[in-house]
Amino acid sequence: GAVVSQHPSRVICKSGTSVKIECRSLDFQATTMFWYRQFPKKSLMLMATSNEGSKATYEQGVEKDKFLINHASLTLSTLTVTSAHPEDSSFYICSARWDRWVLAFFGQGTRLTVV
Amino acid sequence: KQEVTQIPAALSVPEGENLVLNCSFTDSAIYNLQWFRQDPGKGLTSLLLIQSSQREQTSGRLNASLDKSSGRSTLYIAASQPGDSATYLCAVTTQGGSEKLVFGKGTKLTVNP
Repeated sequence: GAVVSQHPSRVICKSGTSVKIECRSLDFQATTMFWYRQFPKKSLMLMATSNEGSKATYEQGVEKDKFLINHASLTLSTLTVTSAHPEDSSFYICSARWDRWVLAFFGQGTRLTVV
Repeated sequence: KQEVTQIPAALSVPEGENLVLNCSFTDSAIYNLQWFRQDPGKGLTSLLLIQSSQREQTSGRLNASLDKSSGRSTLYIAASQPGDSATYLCAVTTQGGSEKLVFGKGTKLTVNP
């Protein structure tokens, strides 16, 4: 299967700072990338969908000014958590697909802890 | 609003046992259903994809069934092994052009040697 690499796998940051998470498709061009968030004992929830070269589409309840998504190339999307607070601590995971594929492939996820 | 429920939340079985994981969804207008495996702190691995027109898919010791009209899917694991220990997630893609996956909370499976 196709490979999606997410970095970093774990990050701890201070409250009020910003954190950037990268999602890369290593062996295919990702026309669409998805960002999910998973709180403990909760379902994975889609945060936003991004298509290369256009603005991301955010799900209801997700603050687009807080969670900045950039999909500037066909192999890279970034999620920046701005002015992070402890309640933003969560597991963030991306997935990517090429537009002719049914399946999207997932990265390994990033565990964010805001202290 | 599509909701996906998985039962049980956790399951512990001895090695070699056959087992069934259950998934139900509230809106039967789905495009497809996927079963994923998630290891602790790791990403997701897609195990099986069932299109809405299909009734089952098989891969090795895994068999997934889909009854769209009743909003149910099962994942059958034969001859379970300790390496099968993980959280199994069910997710559906709803019709209407959306690519959004709606996930259940998962079933945490432990296979004891």
